[in-house]
Amino acid sequence: EDQVTQSPEALRLQEGESSSLNCSYTVSGLRGLFWYRQDPGKGPEFLFTLYSAGEEKEKERLKATLTKKESFLHITAPKPEDSATYLCAVHGGGSNYKLTFGKGTLLTVNP
Amino acid sequence: DAGVIQSPRHEVTEMGQEVTLRCKPISGHDYLFWYRQTMMRGLELLIYFNNNVPIDDSGMPEDRFSAKMPNASFSTLKIQPSEPRDSAVYFCASSPFRGTGELFFGEGSRLTVL
Repeated sequence: EDQVTQSPEALRLQEGESSSLNCSYTVSGLRGLFWYRQDPGKGPEFLFTLYSAGEEKEKERLKATLTKKESFLHITAPKPEDSATYLCAVHGGGSNYKLTFGKGTLLTVNP
Repeated sequence: DAGVIQSPRHEVTEMGQEVTLRCKPISGHDYLFWYRQTMMRGLELLIYFNNNVPIDDSGMPEDRFSAKMPNASFSTLKIQPSEPRDSAVYFCASSPFRGTGELFFGEGSRLTVL
């Protein structure tokens, strides 16, 4: 069974203070790793897809990287509007299209 | 496009009552997913459909839960009878392509069973 563990559970940063979120995964045949952002009272919003170790994707202040065991979401010089819960998900091997999500990291960026 | 539309946004009901949650996916999307989110367990996949056909319902907790997709523009998730442990936020999501991982989520239906 696919497993996703995210750390830390919560992270509080000052505006401009860069940091990283971690997503460790166990999956049989990784077909894709995905990052989502979720604002309070909203559904998750897709950010990135990573398919293979060494791949990187960037969007504004966010950069996602992937190794064979984990993924990092690097946040450079964050702003208060980056405050949200960041979710990691994996799509493992097999014929179905089941995404397994981690419990997320709640990021708070103080001005 | 209006995005994935779910109703109701909030539902409060008594234990034992039937609950029906509704979802309208984005037009043209072939995949539809029902997820449940709680603090303890996070986001869990309940069931997903491809071209209106249920593909994987292994996440449906028990026989009290059922889901249908009578056509490409409508799906329901029914709980009968409801129990307090069913209290959660239920999300519907749709996706145009398999494998990209880009799911478009609705805003969710918050269910409270008293």
